[in-house]
Amino acid sequence: SAVISQKPSRDICQRGTSLTIQCQVDSQVTMMFWYRQQPGQSLTLIATANQGSEATYESGFVIDKFPISRPNLTFSTLTVSNMSPEDSSIYLCSVRTSGGAGGEQFFGPGTRLTVL
Amino acid sequence: GEDVEQSLFLSVREGDSSVINCTYTDSSSTYLYWYKQEPGAGLQLLTYIFSNMDMKQDQRLTVLLNKKDKHLSLRIADTQTGDSAIYFCAERIGFQKLVFGTGTRLLVSP
Repeated sequence: SAVISQKPSRDICQRGTSLTIQCQVDSQVTMMFWYRQQPGQSLTLIATANQGSEATYESGFVIDKFPISRPNLTFSTLTVSNMSPEDSSIYLCSVRTSGGAGGEQFFGPGTRLTVL
Repeated sequence: GEDVEQSLFLSVREGDSSVINCTYTDSSSTYLYWYKQEPGAGLQLLTYIFSNMDMKQDQRLTVLLNKKDKHLSLRIADTQTGDSAIYFCAERIGFQKLVFGTGTRLLVSP
């Protein structure tokens, strides 16, 4: 398995500002992802964080709004830019450990974001 | 299409078995997953099954997969109050993406 930590665990932000969320894994992983869970909803994939290259975004998510970095195999950041109350969600980092094609996929504890 | 559905709520008594059901639409799914989410917490991977299997057992958990009907179930034997949580099923689409169901809230009463 993998131990995933996220910082901050929660934050309350003003509209128009930006927040960067960090994800740290205790071992090198092949794939890292960012998901969003809106209040009372299920999870939706925002993007796949690619090491050394631009992230791959899902339909409905754009780089200007959710810039992502992945400088190495254990760390990634997601920035939520120019926030509005609609961005209030839990943001979760997720990793796949075994060779990409394997099954196990783990999630971090999440960052609970409230935008006023 | 990508659509995963679950019933919203299940209530059982402690010691009984719980069965949580899930249907999905994408026949190209490679893996199917069950996650548990407790209040204020992230997602805990409970178990997963490769799409060419029809059953997987892990201690109190049994996963059944009917690929023809695109139906997945999770049976929890001897359900305990600590099993109360939201359970999400998810299917892997292609190489990268997990598509999640709406979640089933399991309430276990003493």
